[in-house]
Amino acid sequence: AQTVTQSQPEMSVQEAETVTLSCTYDTSESDYYLFWYKQPPSRQMILVIRQEAYKQQNATENRFSVNFQKAAKSFSLKISDSQLGDAAMYFCAYRSGTEGGSEKLVFGKGTKLTVNP
Amino acid sequence: GAGVSQTPSNKVTEKGKYVELRCDPISGHTALYWYRQSLGQGPEFLIYFQGTGAADDSGLPNDRFFAVRPEGSVSTLKIQRTERGDSAVYLCASSLLGQPNEKLFFGSGTQLSVL
Repeated sequence: AQTVTQSQPEMSVQEAETVTLSCTYDTSESDYYLFWYKQPPSRQMILVIRQEAYKQQNATENRFSVNFQKAAKSFSLKISDSQLGDAAMYFCAYRSGTEGGSEKLVFGKGTKLTVNP
Repeated sequence: GAGVSQTPSNKVTEKGKYVELRCDPISGHTALYWYRQSLGQGPEFLIYFQGTGAADDSGLPNDRFFAVRPEGSVSTLKIQRTERGDSAVYLCASSLLGQPNEKLFFGSGTQLSVL
């Protein structure tokens, strides 16, 4: 079974600074997808960024980028120029891309990000 | 609808009671998922529907939990003989076809409190 580990229960960053959230995962599959989701107090999970395992290039979405290290099974999220609105819980998630594989997302326990003005 | 809608937003019930939680996915989305998020944890998979059928119900914790999607749109998660340990946020999500590379759209969840 696949597992996702987020080792930082809480992180804080000054507004306009850069912060990196860590995520490691365990899988025996070669084809899969990795995601970072943001969950504000409204509880609605919002997709931040997505990475296909077969792509060597790291995904970027505006101020958000990932460092995907497939051999190390590491998938960290970097937030640049942090804004007050970035404060939320962040969850790393895994999904199988294997034919016949599970359709479910496997989530980590989350990292609470605080942005200080 | 514009997004995934879940009702009620909050539900308080007594131990032993029966509850129903409703999810209205984005129109046209064939894939629908239920997740449960306990306090301080990430969401955990419960069940996945493709159309009207439950394609994967491996996450349902026991036979007190049941979900339906009779017309391939709205889904209802049903919990019988509720226990205090069932207290959690129940999240629903949908996607167009259920493909791995598709974006999942989540609702705001139902906070279930069992007293």
